[in-house]
Amino acid sequence: DQQVKQNSPSLSVQEGRISILNCDYTNSMFDYFLWYKKYPAEGPTFLISISSIKDKNEDGRFTVFLNKSAKHLSLHIVPSQPGDSAVYFCAAKGGNYQLIWGAGTKLIIKP
Amino acid sequence: EAQVTQNPRYLITVTGKKLTVTCSQNMNHEYMSWYRQDPGLGLRQIYYSMNVEATDKGDVPEGYKVSRKEKRNFPLILESPSPNQTSLYFCASSFGGAIINEQFFGPGTRLTVL
Repeated sequence: DQQVKQNSPSLSVQEGRISILNCDYTNSMFDYFLWYKKYPAEGPTFLISISSIKDKNEDGRFTVFLNKSAKHLSLHIVPSQPGDSAVYFCAAKGGNYQLIWGAGTKLIIKP
Repeated sequence: EAQVTQNPRYLITVTGKKLTVTCSQNMNHEYMSWYRQDPGLGLRQIYYSMNVEATDKGDVPEGYKVSRKEKRNFPLILESPSPNQTSLYFCASSFGGAIINEQFFGPGTRLTVL
């Protein structure tokens, strides 16, 4: 049973528009969430994170929103650029030393 | 350059033939971890290490061994590989013991067990 779900395997967005990637979780004890980005033939790289005491965190073009009551978080990328084409993973702090990862969403930015 | 290196990057082997995937980091990180990535399942943690001589099981440790004799190295050992261990493997490291700290990943090792 997956505790962190990214229900969209892929998403296609026009360059310059907003990209919204979604992530749902089932465990209300999760208290920290992270987004990682992965290009082909490379390892994931950290993008942005949010603590459960916040509902929003912003870093440049990237904003993560957390809705605890819905157990839902989303990553907004504005404006989307061709270099944003990658697989995006959502992860939740599942214990002191472990992250629980979603299956990933492949984002394709169309020129 | 700060990095995590893994070797080999690609490996095709046969069932039962012991193999080791090496992982090394040059950032003096205390925490190191091994993950496997499978389609539709995301990354699943195999083993992690908080520091030298301190290792612990992750979510899917069966069939794997690790060791942490030096801070920089964290090899993954498959004593008797089986086809269900065909996967993409990533090593990662991070500063300190907090899992929320940014993890730095190696480039991955694609393993095929026939």
